[in-house]
Amino acid sequence: SQQGEEDPQALSIQEGENATMNCSYKTSINNLQWYRQNSGRGLVHLILIRSNEREKHSGRLRVTLDTSKKSSSLLITASRAADTASYFCATVSGGYNKLIFGAGTRLAVHP
Amino acid sequence: EAQVTQNPRYLITVTGKKLTVTCSQNMNHEYMSWYRQDPGLGLRQIYYSMNVEVTDKGDVPEGYKVSRKEKRNFPLILESPSPNQTSLYFCASSSLSGLLNYNEQFFGPGTRLTVL
Repeated sequence: SQQGEEDPQALSIQEGENATMNCSYKTSINNLQWYRQNSGRGLVHLILIRSNEREKHSGRLRVTLDTSKKSSSLLITASRAADTASYFCATVSGGYNKLIFGAGTRLAVHP
Repeated sequence: EAQVTQNPRYLITVTGKKLTVTCSQNMNHEYMSWYRQDPGLGLRQIYYSMNVEVTDKGDVPEGYKVSRKEKRNFPLILESPSPNQTSLYFCASSSLSGLLNYNEQFFGPGTRLTVL
């Protein structure tokens, strides 16, 4: 089952610009997480936001969560070429043992 | 260094030839899981394990087996691989502390499997 759906599927920007990716999900959640995947590599956890939180920051990352709309956004400010990767949202709902991933957003940052 | 390792990283095999992909973690995590990643579908969970000798099916378990005899290892077994199992496979692990509101998983580097 696919809980999270990212939008857009692909995003191409210039270095220094901000990148915004959105994630929508279907059922109530315990928390929502964002992961990054460099081409052909494993996923790396970026940030987690709990269901009772609305906004969270970590360095150049800003995540928002709107549980009434069942949506989240990931903002990367002042993007760099090294931010080029795929970004996935993943939700934890009900049992703690499963992360349900969306299909991801492919971000390309051009120098 | 805390890590999840998988072997092999790349494998090309033929239909019906049994294979095992190993996964090992050195973080003393109770929870381990296998995912497959296919274009446009994100990651889908195959099997997971809450602790030694405790395993359960994920969303796409058909055609796969797992075992958890030791805490650190969680091999994925394909008894009779088929071309539709061609995919990128990831192993992940996590501690069980802070269960409901903390579930960061640590991922291995992936195994790219091609079944001809």
